[in-house]
Amino acid sequence: QQQVKQSPQSLIVQKGGISIINCAYENTAFDYFPWYQQFPGKGPALLIAIRPDVSEKKEGRFTISFNKSAKQFSLHIMDSQPGDSATYFCAASPGTYKYIFGTGTRLKVLA
Amino acid sequence: GAGVSQSPSNKVTEKGKDVELRCDPISGHTALYWYRQSLGQGLEFLIYFQGNSAPDKSGLPSDRFSAERTGGSVSTLTIQRTQQEDSAVYLCASSLSGDQETQYFGPGTRLLVL
Repeated sequence: QQQVKQSPQSLIVQKGGISIINCAYENTAFDYFPWYQQFPGKGPALLIAIRPDVSEKKEGRFTISFNKSAKQFSLHIMDSQPGDSATYFCAASPGTYKYIFGTGTRLKVLA
Repeated sequence: GAGVSQSPSNKVTEKGKDVELRCDPISGHTALYWYRQSLGQGLEFLIYFQGNSAPDKSGLPSDRFSAERTGGSVSTLTIQRTQQEDSAVYLCASSLSGDQETQYFGPGTRLLVL
């Protein structure tokens, strides 16, 4: 019940395309959902986060869509660029310090 | 300002040896976390510090793993009698005070046990 399932494991997108990464959870106590971006050799960095009182949050080319009833949330990267090539992790938090991370999606954007 | 720093960046050791990994959190951050990232896996929570105390050690995989934090700042993760399955990237993160605040990660220590 503490798991966060992330898919796909890897994703290849053409430059200018839309990248979509999905996550699902079971624990209804989760109430904070951040996405982290990790470049090779670096630690993960917060990209964007959402709370379940809204269904969508947009920051530049990055959008989180949240479906509370389905217990799913997704990251959309519009106009994907080669510089977006990285590993993306979703996470969920049950109102405490603890984050449960997904297994990651390795995104490659072709030039 | 300076971010989270970790040392060494890479460590190669022989099976059975002890290793110490160091984390310097962002100044003023009272919460500190250790995670393990294995190839192709997500981030596995190991331990959480609030100040110098560790209210949650639930993720430490065995009694070979221990961690301490001194002066509310630097933390050391120690792995005794290393095994090959300990090979992974060990990430440290800090946040201002815990409780769903943004966690800022260091670059990690890549540990290889031969």
